[in-house]
Amino acid sequence: GAVVSQHPSRVICKSGTSVKIECRSLDFQATTMFWYRQFPKQSLMLMATSNEGSKATYEQGVEKDKFLINHASLTLSTLTVTSAHPEDSSFYICSVPGQGDTEAFFGQGTRLTVV
Amino acid sequence: GDSVTQMEGPVTLSEEAFLTINCTYTATGYPSLFWYVQYPGEGLQLLLKATKADDKGSNKGFEATYRKETTSFHLEKGSVQVSDSAVYFCALMLRAQKLVFGQGTRLTINP
Repeated sequence: GAVVSQHPSRVICKSGTSVKIECRSLDFQATTMFWYRQFPKQSLMLMATSNEGSKATYEQGVEKDKFLINHASLTLSTLTVTSAHPEDSSFYICSVPGQGDTEAFFGQGTRLTVV
Repeated sequence: GDSVTQMEGPVTLSEEAFLTINCTYTATGYPSLFWYVQYPGEGLQLLLKATKADDKGSNKGFEATYRKETTSFHLEKGSVQVSDSAVYFCALMLRAQKLVFGQGTRLTINP
């Protein structure tokens, strides 16, 4: 299966600053990647679909201006949390789809804490 | 909408105990069903999957059967080990390779 590397694994930032999270598909070209978010004691929720060479598709209720997604190449998607606030503190994780509708490969996740 | 409901945790068992983590789903179509596991400090790993009714997924001693009539996909293992301590997520995939997750169940196995 695909190997997905996500960086950083943990980040602490001050309110009002921006944080960039990288998701790399190390051995598989991915035209699509997915970004999920998990609040404490809650489920993983899909935030957006990252599309190589075109705009990301955001799920309902996700602010596209706050969560900027760039999928500049077939192996890299980035999620930038702009003007972060404490309520953005969460676990963010990316995934790369596999073959057909039966597989997905995940990065290690990023624990973001905004203070 | 599509949703997954998982047994709430945390769950604490002794080594060699029998494990069941319940999972039920609601979906408009015929989803594929998954169990993912997240070990401390790591990302999600696919544990097992089933793509149609009555399929049984199995891996590392874990099993789950896709039950359409009860819309369930309960995870079971006959004898757990300390190394099974992790967070387990039930999920469904209906279209476009997007996953819908349950809330996760934290499992701790004591020696």
